[in-house]
Amino acid sequence: GAVVSQHPSRVICKSGTSVKIECRSLDFQATTMFWYRQFPKQSLMLMATSNEGSKATYEQGVEKDKFLINHASLTLSTLTVTSAHPEDSSFYICSARGATDTQYFGPGTRLTVL
Amino acid sequence: DAKTTQPPSMDCAEGRAANLPCNHSTISGNEYVYWYRQIHSQGPQYIIHGLKNNETNEMASLIITEDRKSSTLILPHATLRDTAVYYCIVRSAGYTGANSKLTFGKGITLSVRP
Repeated sequence: GAVVSQHPSRVICKSGTSVKIECRSLDFQATTMFWYRQFPKQSLMLMATSNEGSKATYEQGVEKDKFLINHASLTLSTLTVTSAHPEDSSFYICSARGATDTQYFGPGTRLTVL
Repeated sequence: DAKTTQPPSMDCAEGRAANLPCNHSTISGNEYVYWYRQIHSQGPQYIIHGLKNNETNEMASLIITEDRKSSTLILPHATLRDTAVYYCIVRSAGYTGANSKLTFGKGITLSVRP
């Protein structure tokens, strides 16, 4: 149990385009979902927290207009990187938390912006 | 800031027990100790968590000292597939508040040698 999926697993896009990443909790209802970013050889950094049906709460220094988060249902959250630039290239990881209060993580999405 | 300190790395022989230490001297009474691991280029995997009693599951055992200022994650029979970065994280229970989020430090890199 407690499986979280992400799609796509890897994406390459041109500078200036937008990219959407989906995160799904497959076998539980996620009242809260989290988005993290990880640069090479660094630890995970929390970007934002979203509760189903509410606006996301962004961590300090994370631009909410650049990283759009939607958590429209108890099993789906999306992260859209708008007008992506090479410095946005990173490993994006979502996690979901449900009734057990334990966070489970997705496999991650490798974004490369050319 | 992460509220835990871990050695940067350790290694152990395949088949032997791996004992991963973690210091959390400022842990509060309502904070749990969580352990996750991240295998290269994957999302973190939940291992175990505990409050004050020792815990065991199919993956590992968690030993928490009586004063709760430190803990040890034990992988009883390490395999090559256990090579990963292991994160010890303290987190308060519940769904609100800054301390209810998972904040990742640098973790400890465990290398299991044949």
